[in-house]
Amino acid sequence: GENVEQHPSTLSVQEGDSAVIKCTYSDSASNYFPWYKQELGKGPQLIIDIRSNVGEKKDQRIAVTLNKTAKHFSLHITETQPEDSAVYFCAPNSGYSTLTFGKGTMLLVSP
Amino acid sequence: GAGVSQSPRYKVAKRGQDVALRCDPISGHVSLFWYQQALGQGPEFLTYFQNEAQLDKSGLPSDRFFAERPEGSVSTLKIQRTQQEDSAVYLCASSLTSYEQYFGPGTRLTVT
Repeated sequence: GENVEQHPSTLSVQEGDSAVIKCTYSDSASNYFPWYKQELGKGPQLIIDIRSNVGEKKDQRIAVTLNKTAKHFSLHITETQPEDSAVYFCAPNSGYSTLTFGKGTMLLVSP
Repeated sequence: GAGVSQSPRYKVAKRGQDVALRCDPISGHVSLFWYQQALGQGPEFLTYFQNEAQLDKSGLPSDRFFAERPEGSVSTLKIQRTQQEDSAVYLCASSLTSYEQYFGPGTRLTVT
């Protein structure tokens, strides 16, 4: 099965700083790489995703980069805001539809 | 439009009781997934439906767990003879493409 690791497990930044979270995976058959944001008491929210034929994707302040050779992908958040504070999960698919979630990164953005 | 909804949002059960958790997916989404999320952990896959067919139930932790989606829309996750280790948040997700999965708010189950 897929082994997924996220780093760091917690990340504290000042408002306006950038944040980067890295995810490594083991299954070379994975071809879909999403990031989810989960706020307290809510379900995970899909914030950005990338397919294996693309190296980078950007959506306003967030971006995802993929290195398929090294089997890792990263979430980049620029100009962080307090409302970005949440737990972030990477969840590469493992062959077809099933998502395998990492253990999560708690991001705290201080005003 | 309406997102994925789940009910109840909170459920307290005494050990040994049966529970049923409901998921209403986004209209038109053929794929439906159930995940279990323990406190402080990422969601873990339980089972997957495409329309009414249960294509993968490899994540169900025991034969006390049963899921159905008889008409290819609403799904129910049933847990028989609940145990304390079943306490978790149960998340439902639906998808049009089987890639982008959209999650409901979850049902928090507490077994006492």
